[in-house]
Amino acid sequence: DVKVTQSSRYLVKRTGEKVFLECVQDMDHENMFWYRQDPGLGLRLIYFSYDVKMKEKGDIPEGYSVSREKKERFSLILESASTNQTSMYLCASRTGGRQPQHFGDGTRLSIL
Amino acid sequence: QKEVEQDPGPLSVPEGAIVSLNCTYSNSAFQYFMWYRQYSRKGPELLMYTYSSGNKEDGRFTAQVDKSSKYISLFIRDSQPSDSATYLCAMSGGTGRRALTFGSGTRLQVQP
Repeated sequence: DVKVTQSSRYLVKRTGEKVFLECVQDMDHENMFWYRQDPGLGLRLIYFSYDVKMKEKGDIPEGYSVSREKKERFSLILESASTNQTSMYLCASRTGGRQPQHFGDGTRLSIL
Repeated sequence: QKEVEQDPGPLSVPEGAIVSLNCTYSNSAFQYFMWYRQYSRKGPELLMYTYSSGNKEDGRFTAQVDKSSKYISLFIRDSQPSDSATYLCAMSGGTGRRALTFGSGTRLQVQP
């Protein structure tokens, strides 16, 4: 079974802080994704990476950056956290081509 | 108009009922269709994946795709209280994007 592990289930941070969310997959997948999930808005793509050190912006990249130094790890960075970034953050991975994505259990992030 | 429309529910049914969950889409380039199940405070879990019109069955679950009508369905037979969750449809293909486009999810409650 594919395993996508997100480092924290719950996180509370203050506005202005730099926040790191970590995601690790154990299936040697090439593609990795970061989404946020909000009530009524569904899942929205923030960034994705199709290979090590390669990234592309998704639909809502503002205020976020990403890092992929190793194939198994994809980090989401909130440069200066704001209250409107309070959300559920979901990481997913997939092998190349048209295969489905597999998700981690999410990080529920609160910015106070 | 959203690319993928999904009735948010909630949908409440008695145990043993047949459940029908539906999504419509507007982008004729979508070729790959998925259904995910998401329990409260967990990440989405892949249920079904199909890329052709017609039916695909897996146990109590049947995924149906009608590309000519741009309509997909998920049927759950003999529904159980453990099926209570939010069901997300997702699709991709054709545009060169590597990510999925999700419906907003239908919340299902199966009453014992």
